[in-house]
Amino acid sequence: ETGVTQSPTHLIKTRGQQVTLRCSSQSGHNTVSWYQQALGQGPQFIFQYYREEENGRGNFPPRFSGLQFPNYSSELNVNALELDDSALYLCASSLATGTGGAGYTFGSGTRLTVV
Amino acid sequence: QQQVKQSPQSLIVQKGGISIINCAYENTAFDYFPWYQQFPGKGPALLIAIRPDVSEKKEGRFTISFNKSAKQFSLHIMDSQPGDSATYFCAASRGGGFKTIFGAGTRLFVKA
Repeated sequence: ETGVTQSPTHLIKTRGQQVTLRCSSQSGHNTVSWYQQALGQGPQFIFQYYREEENGRGNFPPRFSGLQFPNYSSELNVNALELDDSALYLCASSLATGTGGAGYTFGSGTRLTVV
Repeated sequence: QQQVKQSPQSLIVQKGGISIINCAYENTAFDYFPWYQQFPGKGPALLIAIRPDVSEKKEGRFTISFNKSAKQFSLHIMDSQPGDSATYFCAASRGGGFKTIFGAGTRLFVKA
């Protein structure tokens, strides 16, 4: 059983650029969620994908977008980067059955620095 | 109504002592309450979770107490060890595990 892998681990971008972060879900999981974690804060929900469709979104602007692929891997895209986008971006996969809660398996995250 | 409020922000406990972290929620639609442990440079890891139809769940040294009427739940770490030093997050989700909301975290330091 493989865990959740994220790439890259670290990234430095310039304000105004675009970035794509990637995530491979744990085998057997059908749901992927993305979180932004600022230093010293709890993870903030960006959005969730279930069976390749967005299934819930947090309080993030449209320049944050995503995709989930048939193999349940996922991408997070951020356009027009701002300094405040600097954070640890976490991908989490889970097996959602619709009948009860499911714990997340998190990756180790991508540390994004916007300069 | 989507918030999960966590306290304290930080906690220092002697080795062998009991660590207690509290959380409160507002949305009664939440039906799954997990706790996560995060070490520096790592993603959070699921520690223990409870559903609202039980008042307590114990796994080893970790216990969740759940008070549905007060909309509160807490994590107790018995016989705390230096290796337990980490940041702990409570969380809540609804409708089959969708859209999990996290608390702000508690930094626990266990003194040897």
